[in-house]
Amino acid sequence: DAGVTQSPTHLIKTRGQQVTLRCSPKSGHDTVSWYQQALGQGPQFIFQYYEEEERQRGNFPDRFSGHQFPNYSSELNVNALLLGDSALYLCASRPTSGSSYNEQFFGPGTRLTVL
Amino acid sequence: AQSVSQHNHHVILSEAASLELGCNYSYGGTVNLFWYVQYPGQHLQLLLKYFSGDPLVKGIKGFEAEFIKSKFSFNLRKPSVQWSDTAEYFCAVRGTDSWGKLQFGAGTQVVVTP
Repeated sequence: DAGVTQSPTHLIKTRGQQVTLRCSPKSGHDTVSWYQQALGQGPQFIFQYYEEEERQRGNFPDRFSGHQFPNYSSELNVNALLLGDSALYLCASRPTSGSSYNEQFFGPGTRLTVL
Repeated sequence: AQSVSQHNHHVILSEAASLELGCNYSYGGTVNLFWYVQYPGQHLQLLLKYFSGDPLVKGIKGFEAEFIKSKFSFNLRKPSVQWSDTAEYFCAVRGTDSWGKLQFGAGTQVVVTP
């Protein structure tokens, strides 16, 4: 049973560019969340998707947007990249029912470097 | 607003020493509490969780945590650490009225020396 997978592993972009990160949730999970983890800090919640809609959003600008597909996979898009967007981007998934309802399972992350 | 405070940013201790990591949270409602661990080169993994009931919860690898509601604390403990416990530890809180947003602390880097 594959866990949460993310692609790419690493990415280097320049300021002003746009980036798309991808996430496949753990089998049986239908809710996907995205987090940003800057160096030396804890993960910060960006947003959460369920039934292809954004259900909850953290304190991030509109440059950060997302999408969830019918197969529950998700994308995170960041426009007009800033140097401060350099971070590890984590995807987490969970089911909306069952014994693991309140547990989020994290992927390995995508390391984004903005030059 | 939710906030999570972890008392120590870095902890260095020897094998067989006892470990206690402090976590305090601020939230105006009922919460679920978690400790996650990130081993070098690996992704975040759940160590243990508290939802309700017995405030002393046991997790994987000999870790336990105690929820003290009056102190808004959820401290992590391990009686005797091993070199393999070297990792970064994160406390996290989720409001039960929240869809699933986890609020994380800044993390504590734990280094266990042989």
